[in-house]
Amino acid sequence: GNSVTQMEGPVTLSEEAFLTINCTYTATGYPSLFWYVQYPGEGLQLLLKATKADDKGSNKGFEATYRKETTSFHLEKGSVQVSDSAVYFCALSDLITGNQFYFGTGTSLTVIP
Amino acid sequence: ETGVTQTPRHLVMGMTNKKSLKCEQHLGHNAMYWYKQSAKKPLELMFVYSLEERVENNSVPSRFSPECPNSSHLFLHLHTLQPEDSALYLCASSQDPRLAGWYNEQFFGPGTRLTVL
Repeated sequence: GNSVTQMEGPVTLSEEAFLTINCTYTATGYPSLFWYVQYPGEGLQLLLKATKADDKGSNKGFEATYRKETTSFHLEKGSVQVSDSAVYFCALSDLITGNQFYFGTGTSLTVIP
Repeated sequence: ETGVTQTPRHLVMGMTNKKSLKCEQHLGHNAMYWYKQSAKKPLELMFVYSLEERVENNSVPSRFSPECPNSSHLFLHLHTLQPEDSALYLCASSQDPRLAGWYNEQFFGPGTRLTVL
């Protein structure tokens, strides 16, 4: 079946530090992969996506590369800001399973000045 | 209004009450979803309405009842809830992947924070 595993948090970093949040997946078909972000008091927002192997999604300084050989989609940012404090969710969607999205448990990030 | 809106944003109810959550999408999508978000757990997909078909998670208790009168509106009717039902309930919408193609990016509303006393 399909599933997503992401690193447990919480993660606390100083401003301008390098961020990596690990995400690995299992899928029966050819999934698309996503990172969503949830700011306090809000719903989830799409941060970036990749639809096939070796694609790199990027947005707001965040990047993630779809690695089929390691079944991973790790989120990275070179220099985090206080405003990046949020919960980050890795997710996959597989056309075989139609509308089903599979989310990880979320990783809470706090960036301190 | 733009995107996906949800009302109310906060709801406190007793176990004997009946209430409804409302979701509206202004994106022209044809699929809508209810999710339950509890602390330390993955998002739980509760219900999907897509192309007038309903798909549900069989583990969702019958005290949750969805209604989708058209492709823009989605309701979640609540009755005789339990304290463990307290959570953030998120609505989302997308184009059905059978029509959209490769992926069905979902757009989320801000959620309704539900507390059951």
